[in-house]
This record gives sequence, C-alpha cells and structure tokens, in this order.
Amino acid sequence: SQKIEQNSEALNIQEGKTATLTCNYTNYSPAYLQWYRQDPGRGPVFLLLIRENEKEKRKERLKVTFDTTLKQSLFHITASQPADSATYLCAGPGYSTLTFGKGTMLLVSP
Amino acid sequence: KAGVTQTPRYLIKTRGQQVTLSCSPISGHRSVSWYQQTPGQGLQFLFEYFSETQRNKGNFPGRFSGRQFSNSRSEMNVSTLELGDSALYLCASSLGRGEHIGELFFGEGSRLTVL
Repeated sequence: SQKIEQNSEALNIQEGKTATLTCNYTNYSPAYLQWYRQDPGRGPVFLLLIRENEKEKRKERLKVTFDTTLKQSLFHITASQPADSATYLCAGPGYSTLTFGKGTMLLVSP
Repeated sequence: KAGVTQTPRYLIKTRGQQVTLSCSPISGHRSVSWYQQTPGQGLQFLFEYFSETQRNKGNFPGRFSGRQFSNSRSEMNVSTLELGDSALYLCASSLGRGEHIGELFFGEGSRLTVL
C-alpha cells in the first residue's frame, strides 16, 4: 500500500539555521505532495503544495523540493525562529483523500 | 470566511458508551474528511464524504460511522467505546472537485478521552 514516511525523531536546531525535513514515499507515484504545520492540540495548517513536475517551490522562508528519482520531498525553513517550532506533516494524494506521514517535530532553540 | 468548526472540543466518556462528533465545513466546501490522530499512529484516515455520499473509508471497525447532511455538515459516531479510541478526531473540508484533492482545511479537533 502507498506510504508516506517521515523521520519520527525530533529535529533540534539553533535559531537562524536552516531546518531540513524529509518526506519519502513508497509504492506509488504521487502527482503532488503537500506540507502542513501542526501546533500542539491544534489542527494541521496547509503550507505548500508541490507537483511532481516542479523541482522546487518557495514561499517566504519556506522551500520545498520534489525528487521523483529519489521518491523524496525535502522541506526547508531558512533563518529558522523559535516560532517555527511545531510538527510538520507531509501528505500525498490517495483516492478522494490525503495520506499523511506521522510528522517530524521541529524544535528551534534561541 | 469562517473556518471549519468542530464540536465538542473536549469530551470524556467511559468504555461501552457511544459518542457523536460534529463538523461544520467552510461554506462552499462539499467534501468532508475525518481523521483520527494518536501519538503513535499519526493521522489515520477514517472516511470522506462528498455531497452526502461516502466516497472513501479507511481501515477502521464498523463501530466508526459517519454521515453528511445536505448542507455539507458532517457527523461521526463511535459506538461501544474502547480505551484505544482515545484520540484527537480531526475534520477537514475541501472543495473536493472530482478526484482532485486540493488543500485540506482542518478544524481544531475534538479531543476524546475514554476512561
């Protein structure tokens, strides 16, 4: 079955550095991938969508890449801030819904 | 415009009871999806409704059911509650045009605790 996999270990980085989160997919070829941010006790919030024919997409300090050869998407936050601390979820399309990875928690320390 | 509204936000039930959760999608959105989120399993898909029809269902027992009304509002029901049903239940709405799944707009969730 199709799977979206993210590193379950928390990522700890210092303020000002670039955070890079990884999303791998197996057993299918998604036409696009989406990234969401989730704060504790809240619902996920959509951040970016990248299509399979787009190598890279940017939105302010966020950058997402899509590598169909590696079956991987990378999510970057440049000049990270403590307010960026949250869990980031990767999602790919299934039949009439999205399949989510378990998310990676990002902790940015001052 | 108003976001996705879920009620109740928090509830405590005991084993064997049943619970009904409600979701009001963004105005104009016809697709409503339900997810269960637990620390160990992440977001698990329950079911998706579009124009009052269930289009897709996840791998959950029959104790989990749902429905969608003509105004796109949706409810999900869990009967004969078990301890393992304790979770954050998230509702998400989207325009749901055909097979294309666009951005999902999530509610804040209903936190269910089963004692």
